[in-house]
Amino acid sequence: AQSVTQLGSHVSVSEGALVLLRCNYSSSVPPYLFWYVQYPNQGLQLLLKYTSAATLVKGINGFEAEFKKSETSFHLTKPSAHMSDAAEYFCAVSSNDYKLSFGAGTTVTVRA
Amino acid sequence: DTGVSQNPRHKITKRGQNVTFRCDPISEHNRLYWYRQTLGQGPEFLTYFQNEAQLEKSRLLSDRFSAERPKGSFSTLEIQRTEQGDSAMYLCASSLDTVPTYEQYFGPGTRLTVT
Repeated sequence: AQSVTQLGSHVSVSEGALVLLRCNYSSSVPPYLFWYVQYPNQGLQLLLKYTSAATLVKGINGFEAEFKKSETSFHLTKPSAHMSDAAEYFCAVSSNDYKLSFGAGTTVTVRA
Repeated sequence: DTGVSQNPRHKITKRGQNVTFRCDPISEHNRLYWYRQTLGQGPEFLTYFQNEAQLEKSRLLSDRFSAERPKGSFSTLEIQRTEQGDSAMYLCASSLDTVPTYEQYFGPGTRLTVT
């Protein structure tokens, strides 16, 4: 069985500041890891994915994440927050190439 | 728009009524998934289809829930005798199986409120 834990249900950052969202996973087999973003009243959009290639993964909108097996982590970062980054972010894991298991989500607010 | 579509976007129903939701996947995608998302939580897997075959159902999918994908294209999710605990966002996603199904594309969801 696989699962993810997102540390911090709410993160508030100033515009232009670093965004760091934490995700730790548990998986009995090498995992596939994902970050999704959800804007109000919308579905989920894939930001980036780790599928056992490069450990540093670059995604859309300037986000990136680093897979660290020793720490079982897949934290999401963005060097400079923009107002449009305000949304809810979900980390997800899949170890059998179909079913996604999501974390509880982290809501990001961006202060002007 | 060639993305995943879901209808209706919102549904308010009284406890005990039946409701049906529809999902139209991306046209060439042969895998279709249903998830449920309650307030403050991440989506939880309910079931998935490979073409018209339903291959797995979560224990979350009680006997009151039934999903179909009759021709391997659109899918419906029916909830019978709705309960207040069924209030949630129901998300549909689709993907290809010709490559590892890493990327699931999500629809906007159907928000169900049971009063």
